[in-house]
Amino acid sequence: AQKVTQAQTEISVVEKEDVTLDCVYETRDTTYYLFWYKQPPSGELVFLIRRNSFDEQNEISGRYSWNFQKSTSSFNFTITASQVVDSAVYFCALSEALTDSWGKLQFGAGTQVVVTP
Amino acid sequence: DAGITQSPRHKVTETGTPVTLRCHQTENHRYMYWYRQDPGHGLRLIHYSYGVKDTDKGEVSDGYSVSRSKTEDFLLTLESATSSQTSVYFCAISEPKGSTDTQYFGPGTRLTVL
Repeated sequence: AQKVTQAQTEISVVEKEDVTLDCVYETRDTTYYLFWYKQPPSGELVFLIRRNSFDEQNEISGRYSWNFQKSTSSFNFTITASQVVDSAVYFCALSEALTDSWGKLQFGAGTQVVVTP
Repeated sequence: DAGITQSPRHKVTETGTPVTLRCHQTENHRYMYWYRQDPGHGLRLIHYSYGVKDTDKGEVSDGYSVSRSKTEDFLLTLESATSSQTSVYFCAISEPKGSTDTQYFGPGTRLTVL
């Protein structure tokens, strides 16, 4: 069975500090997808990134970066120079690879990030 | 943004009453999903659909049923609501493989069962 663990329930930082969110996953599939979503206080779910299991390159998008390590089954997310607008709940998710779609998502419990001025 | 709407957005009901939540998409995507969000659990899959009249159970399907008679609509029904079904319900659709995008989520429905 698939499982996603986000061990950090809440992280509090002061603006401009870096914050790293941990995500550890379990799957028997050899092909799978990993995702990060952001849920701001307004409640919607915002897609941040998708990574497939064959692509272990790290990715950077502005102040966001992701570190995928297949050897440790981890897909960690770092926010550099955090801002108050980064305050949100962040979810890591895992999906099986169907033939023509991304599959059903298995979510972690989420990490609440609180950024104070 | 993907065209996904959910109705109602908020609902308060009493234990034992039937409730139907609607998810409507304008993207003509094949896959649709219902999740529920509860503190400490993230989102959990209730049911999903891979085409008209093709549905299957997810992780937490007990007490829920679904129907999909048209590509654009995916209905979630609580036949007899219980307080444990108080939650925020999200619908999602899947983009076809090869797209640069991924699953899009609707705005959510907050359901309170008294």
